[in-house]
Amino acid sequence: SQTIHQWPATLVQPVGSPLSLECTVEGTSNPNLYWYRQAAGRGLQLLFYSVGIGQISSEVPQNLSASRPQDRQFILSSKKLLLSDSGFYLCAGLLAGGPYNEQFFGPGTRLTVL
Amino acid sequence: AQSVTQLGSHVSVSEGALVLLRCNYSSSVPPYLFWYVQYPNQGLQLLLKYTSAATLVKGINGFEAEFKKSETSFHLTKPSAHMSDAAEYFCAVSEVSNFGNEKLTFGTGTRLTIIP
Repeated sequence: SQTIHQWPATLVQPVGSPLSLECTVEGTSNPNLYWYRQAAGRGLQLLFYSVGIGQISSEVPQNLSASRPQDRQFILSSKKLLLSDSGFYLCAGLLAGGPYNEQFFGPGTRLTVL
Repeated sequence: AQSVTQLGSHVSVSEGALVLLRCNYSSSVPPYLFWYVQYPNQGLQLLLKYTSAATLVKGINGFEAEFKKSETSFHLTKPSAHMSDAAEYFCAVSEVSNFGNEKLTFGTGTRLTIIP
């Protein structure tokens, strides 16, 4: 089965500090991968998606960046965190073998910027 | 462009009562539709999906949804609510797309509270 792993599960960082969140996928090769953010009381905002190594599409301009150094690895980064970067970050993958664009999700990372 | 509207950001029902969560979509082509559930501090889990095979779709945990093209709706129902159903529910839409552009558009979510 296809599984997404994310770490860390929770993170508390000061304003202005750097960020690196990691997402890895197993059970499939060359999947489309996605980073979403959930701010408190809001829905899912798509931040980035990647169709392959080194290929990143940004959905919204912001303080964050993404990289895909390996087929099954997707990293979300920031050089200097803002208070507004707080939220729940979810990594997702496109389910292989079907045409429906179904996505499967990792457990998420809770980021608090103080 | 596709979009999803979930009516009611918060819904409360009594244990044993009918659950009805509303979702309306907008899509220029026949869509694929999904309902996901999210428990606190967890990722999203697929409840069910509509892929044009049947308009009434049954999912996990006793949930089902009916695709109504004339109403552009895909409401989620469960005949009898259980305490374990308390969670946030997201409706999502996907259009048939070219390779490299597979994305879902999510609604803003509905938080379901079950009253004992």
